[in-house]
Amino acid sequence: AQSVTQLDSQVPVFEEAPVELRCNYSSSVSVYLFWYVQYPNQGLQLLLKYLSGSTLVKGINGFEAEFNKSQTSFHLRKPSVHISDTAEYFCAVMGNDYKLSFGAGTTVTVRA
Amino acid sequence: GAGVSQSPSNKVTEKGKDVELRCDPISGHTALYWYRQRLGQGLEFLIYFQGNSAPDKSGLPSDRFSAERTGESVSTLTIQRTQQEDSAVYLCASSRRTSGNNEQFFGPGTRLTVL
Repeated sequence: AQSVTQLDSQVPVFEEAPVELRCNYSSSVSVYLFWYVQYPNQGLQLLLKYLSGSTLVKGINGFEAEFNKSQTSFHLRKPSVHISDTAEYFCAVMGNDYKLSFGAGTTVTVRA
Repeated sequence: GAGVSQSPSNKVTEKGKDVELRCDPISGHTALYWYRQRLGQGLEFLIYFQGNSAPDKSGLPSDRFSAERTGESVSTLTIQRTQQEDSAVYLCASSRRTSGNNEQFFGPGTRLTVL
């Protein structure tokens, strides 16, 4: 079984500032890693995923994440946020059972 | 093309009543998943269907919960004798197949409120 811990439940940030959302996971098997975003009143949308290969993964809307196997982390970053990035962000892992295990989510609020 | 759709979008029911939630996956997607999102928490896996294989029901929280899927199309999640702790957003997702490199596409969810 896998589990995911998102270390920050709320992240307030000013527009054009950088943001980092932390995610740690535990698993006894190799995993695939995902970040999803949920905009207000919308469904979940995939931001990016790590399957294999390069540990730095680039996603949509200028987001990127780095897989660190030794630290079992998959932190999400964006160098400059916009008001429209206000949303809830979920880190998720998938093992060999093809089921996603999600973290509790991080609410990002971008202020002008 | 159309994404995953779910109905109803909102459901308010009284404790003890049965409810049925519907999911229409993306056409051609053989895998279908149900998740539950309680307020302030992440998504919990409930059940998934893959083609004609027996569903994985390992996430269903009690025998009051059941789900069916007709072939590779519509799925219904039924909750019998609802309890207040069943209040949550129920999300459905589909993918081409159960493989890590196949993205799960999520529907907008059904918000269930049990009074």
